[in-house]
Amino acid sequence: AQSVTQLGSHVSVSEGALVLLRCNYSSSVPPYLFWYVQYPNQGLQLLLKYTSAATLVKGINGFEAEFKKSETSFHLTKPSAHMSDAAEYFCAVSVRNNNAGNMLTFGGGTRLMVKP
Amino acid sequence: EPEVTQTPSHQVTQMGQEVILRCVPISNHLYFYWYRQILGQKVEFLVSFYNNEISEKSEIFDDQFSVERPDGSNFTLKIRSTKLEDSAMYFCASSGSKTQYFGPGTRLLVL
Repeated sequence: AQSVTQLGSHVSVSEGALVLLRCNYSSSVPPYLFWYVQYPNQGLQLLLKYTSAATLVKGINGFEAEFKKSETSFHLTKPSAHMSDAAEYFCAVSVRNNNAGNMLTFGGGTRLMVKP
Repeated sequence: EPEVTQTPSHQVTQMGQEVILRCVPISNHLYFYWYRQILGQKVEFLVSFYNNEISEKSEIFDDQFSVERPDGSNFTLKIRSTKLEDSAMYFCASSGSKTQYFGPGTRLLVL
C-alpha cells in the first residue's frame, strides 16, 4: 500500500522567492513519483516525474524535484516564483514494476499563492 | 500534442438518475483510468482498465459504477443510480507506459 503526505495545504510566497512544496511518501515497494499541477477550473497537468533514472528531476516551468530515498521525500522546488505559478500542486505515487497500469495515490494537494 | 478529452465538462442530474461520462484517451495508449475529486478533498482512484477489462478498482467503485470501451476510442464511466455523494469532479486518464495523462474533468452535480 502507498500513501502520500503533503505538508502544508496552503503555501504563500512572494514573486521572485523560492518555492518549496513538500511531499513525503510511504511505499512498500520502490515507487514512481509524480507532481501534477492544477490551475483553476482545469485538469491535472504533469509537471515532472521520477521513474528510476536521475534522482534530480527537472520539469516544466522551471520546477524540479529530488527523490531522496533515505528521507522518503520528493519535494518540489522552483528558484523564483512567478505569478503564473499560483495553482494547486499534487504529489502522487505509484508502485514500480513492469505493469504500466498502476493506480496513482495522491497527496492532499498544496495550494500555492504568489504575492506581488 | 495529443491530449485526453472529456465530455461533458459539466453535468447536473437528479438523484437516482443514470449518468455516463465520456473520455477519449490518447490514441496509442493502452491503459485507462478514472479518478474523482470531491470538492476540497484528495484525488481518488476509481478504476483502471486494460485489454477490455478492469485491471484494478478501489472500494469506491461499487456495483453502481461500470466502465466500458464501446468503440475502440471512447472510454466511459457509468453511474447507474446517482447519489448526492457522487457529486465530484471526475477525471479520466490514460497511459502508454508509466506516466498517466489526465483530461480536463467532468464536474458532476447530483441534486
